[in-house]
Amino acid sequence: SQKIEQNSEALNIQEGKTATLTCNYTNYSPAYLQWYRQDPGRGPVFLLLIRENEKEKRKERLKVTFDTTLKQSLFHITASQPADSATYLCALLSGGYNKLIFGAGTRLAVHP
Amino acid sequence: DSGVTQTPKHLITATGQRVTLRCSPRSGDLSVYWYQQSLDQGLQFLIQYYNGEERAKGNILERFSAQQFPDLHSELNLSSLELGDSALYFCASSVGQGGYEQYFGPGTRLTVT
Repeated sequence: SQKIEQNSEALNIQEGKTATLTCNYTNYSPAYLQWYRQDPGRGPVFLLLIRENEKEKRKERLKVTFDTTLKQSLFHITASQPADSATYLCALLSGGYNKLIFGAGTRLAVHP
Repeated sequence: DSGVTQTPKHLITATGQRVTLRCSPRSGDLSVYWYQQSLDQGLQFLIQYYNGEERAKGNILERFSAQQFPDLHSELNLSSLELGDSALYFCASSVGQGGYEQYFGPGTRLTVT
């Protein structure tokens, strides 16, 4: 069955360092992969979308890579700040590209 | 602020009851999506409407139904409520029907006692 895996353990890093989060998937052939940020008790916020023919995409301090051979996406936050602390969700479209399936998310904590 | 509004913010009700959750999408968005988020299940896709028509269905229970009205707002109806239905319910919207770049509302927290 289709599965999205994100590291369930929280990632703790020091302010100023680069945070790297991983999203692995199985039994999917997604045309797009998306990353969202979610703060406790709030709705997810769209961050980036990367297409299968794009290896890398950047937006300000964010960078996403998409390796369809490894079935993996990496999400990087450079020069991290305490305000970046949140849960980051990876999401893939399934079922005719309408159903967005989310991973369980990885909680990031950036310490001053 | 995503531009998506949801009402009410909180809802407390008893088992067996029926509730209606309301969502207004961002101006210009034609698609509305409903999600359920509970601690043990994560964010689960329920259903999508595009310009008034159902487009995709996830693991939505038969006790749940939704519709999108001509003014594009949407309602999610939950009936015969059970304790396990307690969760955060999010609505999201997007311009197209493809499911990408979705903008989420603040959610409705439903507590069934």
